[in-house]
Amino acid sequence: QITLKESGPTLVKPTQTLTLTCTFSGFSLRSSGVGVAWIRQPPGKALEWLVFIDWEDDKRYSPSLRSRLTITKDTSRNHVVLTMTNMDPVDTATYYCARLNGYDFDYWGQGILVTVSS
Amino acid sequence: EIVLTQSPGTLSLSPGERATLSCRASQRVSSNYLAWYQQKPGQAPRLLISDASSRATGIPERFSGSGAGTDFTLTISRLEPEDFAVYYCQQFGSSPQITFGQGTRLDIK
Repeated sequence: QITLKESGPTLVKPTQTLTLTCTFSGFSLRSSGVGVAWIRQPPGKALEWLVFIDWEDDKRYSPSLRSRLTITKDTSRNHVVLTMTNMDPVDTATYYCARLNGYDFDYWGQGILVTVSS
Repeated sequence: EIVLTQSPGTLSLSPGERATLSCRASQRVSSNYLAWYQQKPGQAPRLLISDASSRATGIPERFSGSGAGTDFTLTISRLEPEDFAVYYCQQFGSSPQITFGQGTRLDIK
């Protein structure tokens, strides 16, 4: 059974750095063609892809957010960590991690709502 | 960046009717790497269709995807009550860049 779960703070202040962890089970990030991505969704709005890391440790970032994002993985612990710097109220959203299997996201975490407010 | 435009924004239909949702890309989608997702309130998205026309595991046959190049369609042949939700298309392009459409809300009429 494949599961993913996001964890981290639900409230951050403007200008702070957000660190979220995706803990997954049921698959390995050593498997060819597999990656873990972060996707966010502001309240009432559409999905926005942020970044993914794949089995070869290749990292791809959304061009519009590239300068603020870092993604790392710990394959032995089945963790993927996202850091996002200089948080702003417009970054308030539900943040999802999802398994990238080929070219789409076949398993998703439940999401974590992160609010940016002073 | 490839922009995906979904239409209509909202579709109001009754159970038993056929739903046709459109996703148009601003440029050709690489190798038809186009997926469709269903999202219900308070839930994560669920993969329905990958590679434009392949149903994901466990997805009922009433869901089908078609299209190529820049024009893609998700069809739900006979709507069930549980199908009323928001639907998103997503493409995986070179660089790579991944983009989602803005969504189509399928409402009960």
